[in-house]
Amino acid sequence: EVQLVETGGGLVQPGRSLKLSCVASGFTFNNYWMSWTRQAPGKGLEWVASITNSGGSTYYPDSVKGRFTISRDNAQNTLYLQMNSLRSEDTATYYCTRDDNWGVMDAWGQGASVTVSS
Amino acid sequence: DIQMTQSPASLSASLGETVTIECLASEDIYSNLAWYQQKPGKSPQLLIYDASSLQDGVPSRFSGSESGTQYSLEINSLQSEDAATYFCQQHHDYPFTFGSGTKLEIK
Repeated sequence: EVQLVETGGGLVQPGRSLKLSCVASGFTFNNYWMSWTRQAPGKGLEWVASITNSGGSTYYPDSVKGRFTISRDNAQNTLYLQMNSLRSEDTATYYCTRDDNWGVMDAWGQGASVTVSS
Repeated sequence: DIQMTQSPASLSASLGETVTIECLASEDIYSNLAWYQQKPGKSPQLLIYDASSLQDGVPSRFSGSESGTQYSLEINSLQSEDAATYFCQQHHDYPFTFGSGTKLEIK
């Protein structure tokens, strides 16, 4: 069974940093691209970052480019999202997703809640 | 960026009915369209990818179709467990973008 478990969420002040982790199991992690997608409270879904299976390439939307960094440790089956210079508009539940077939998110974690507030 | 205009924002239907949700892409996305279902308090789940391919384990009452840049999700024989919010997503080009969602209520 495919499982994605996010940790690291919490309350953080504007301008500070936070790092999310996602531990994967039930599949061969280094065969898949992975992504982070977020959902602000009561809102829709927003893609945040993607990384190739080797970790050699990463992709971001303009809203987080230069502030967020996606990375992975294939030996530990773990995906990361380093979030710097956090803003109130980054408040959301962050989902780790497994990507199949170019951007199709075929497995989702339970989500990690991030609140940016003073 | 590719814009995905999803409609309606909400709808209410009875058990056994058929409903259709639509997404209009701002440009050609070459059938690179996925549909997700999100039940209250839960994570989204993939229903359909490549516009019309059913994800493993998804009931056959869910189907997807396309006409030009207009994409549709049809749910036949509505069941109570279909009450959820549905999102479309283009997976043709970065940045991947989602529709705003359709909340389906079962009467």
